[in-house]
Amino acid sequence: DAGVTQSPTHLIKTRGQQVTLRCSPKSGHDTVSWYQQALGQGPQFIFQYYEEEERQRGNFPDRFSGHQFPNYSSELNVNALLLGDSALYLCASSLGGVGEQYFGPGTRLTVT
Amino acid sequence: GQQVMQIPQYQHVQEGEDFTTYCNSSTTLSNIQWYKQRPGGHPVFLIQLVKSGEVKKQKRLTFQFGEAKKNSSLHITATQTTDVGTYFCAGGGNTGFQKLVFGTGTRLLVSP
Repeated sequence: DAGVTQSPTHLIKTRGQQVTLRCSPKSGHDTVSWYQQALGQGPQFIFQYYEEEERQRGNFPDRFSGHQFPNYSSELNVNALLLGDSALYLCASSLGGVGEQYFGPGTRLTVT
Repeated sequence: GQQVMQIPQYQHVQEGEDFTTYCNSSTTLSNIQWYKQRPGGHPVFLIQLVKSGEVKKQKRLTFQFGEAKKNSSLHITATQTTDVGTYFCAGGGNTGFQKLVFGTGTRLLVSP
């Protein structure tokens, strides 16, 4: 039973560039949430997708957008990267958007 | 917006000593979850509490949800070196889709 997978593992981008991160949920899960975790801090909720629609959104600018595909996998897109976007981006899946969140290993994004 | 604070920020104990972390929310929660994140790892779900005053135990770990559903605690009895990591509480709101607000975390270091 595959858990949550994310790609890529690490990524280095330059300010102003755009990035796409990918996530495949745990088998049987239909909801994907994205979190940003800066060094030494707790994960910050970005948004959540269910049935290919954004259901909840945290306090992040429109530069952060996402998508969910019919197979429940998801992408996180960040435009016009800033140095402050450097963080670990975590994807978590769940069933119906409630209860236990299964986290993936994360994508470490460095913006230079 | 909703804020979730944890104390202490950091604790260093000798193996065999007890450990407690406290979690306080600025708003009433519908539920609270606890996660453990090992250094370099991703958050791993420990437990969810839903009822006011609820107490749950997992071996050496005891979790409590306050009567007002605004605070929670995690107590570890007789710590082991395998307990090392950062413990996060995460508060869930009252909407159908879980928008988890993570606490600031408590980093636990256990010396043998």
